[in-house]
Amino acid sequence: EVQLVESGGGLVQPGGSLRLSCAASGFTFSSYWMHWVRQAPGKGLVWVSRINSDGSSTSYADSVKGRFTISRDNAKNTLYLQMNSLRAEDTAVYYCARGAGRGYDYWGQGTLVTVSS
Amino acid sequence: EIVMTQSPATLSVSPGERATLSCRASQSVSSNLAWYQQKPGQAPRLLIYGASTRATGIPARFSGSGSGTEFTLTISSLQSEDFAVYYCQQYNNWPPKYTFGQGTKLEIK
Repeated sequence: EVQLVESGGGLVQPGGSLRLSCAASGFTFSSYWMHWVRQAPGKGLVWVSRINSDGSSTSYADSVKGRFTISRDNAKNTLYLQMNSLRAEDTAVYYCARGAGRGYDYWGQGTLVTVSS
Repeated sequence: EIVMTQSPATLSVSPGERATLSCRASQSVSSNLAWYQQKPGQAPRLLIYGASTRATGIPARFSGSGSGTEFTLTISSLQSEDFAVYYCQQYNNWPPKYTFGQGTKLEIK
C-alpha cells in the first residue's frame, strides 16, 4: 500500500525556519518525481515545488523561490522541504504528492504550518 | 506562468442531475490536465488525468474532455458523495510550474 506521511509542521514566528518531511512507503520512491502542494485555510490548492526522481532537478513557485528548498533522500525514502524566511502568507497545510506524469496519484494527509508571532 | 481559470466558482445542482465544470488555460497545455476532488478535511483525490482518462477506481459517471486550453469535467447523475470542491491542474512540463485552478465548489441545490 502506497503511503505518504508528512511531519514537521507547527507554529513558527515570521522570519523563522521549518523543515518538513514526507516519509514514503509501498512503492519505489527513487522512481518518482515528488511535489509539495499547499493550501491556506479556506483557500485553494497551490503548487509549491517539485523534484525529479534522482534529485538533480527542482522547480519552485515564484512565491517561494529563494526561500524554500526541496530535496530528497532516496536511501531513506524521504522527501523534504526546507522553508526559510517564513511569512504569514506561508501559513497553510502542506501536502506531499507523488507525481506519476499524469497528475498526483497519491497524496499525504498534510501537515499544518502556522506562521505567527 | 500558465494561469488556470475555473468556472463557475460555485455550482448548485440537484442529486441525480448532471454537473458540468469548466477549466481554461492561459496557453496550451495539450492534454496535460488533471482533475481532483477534495472533501472537507481530506487530501485531494485524483479523478482524471490526460484530460480524459479516469484514474483507478473512479466511477464511470466522471468524465473529462478537452485539449489545448479548454477543458470540461462532467459528472452525470450526481450522487450525495460527489458534492465537494473540484480543482483542475496543468502539468505541462514547460514552464515547470504545475498550476491549479482556483476550484469549483459543487453544492447541493
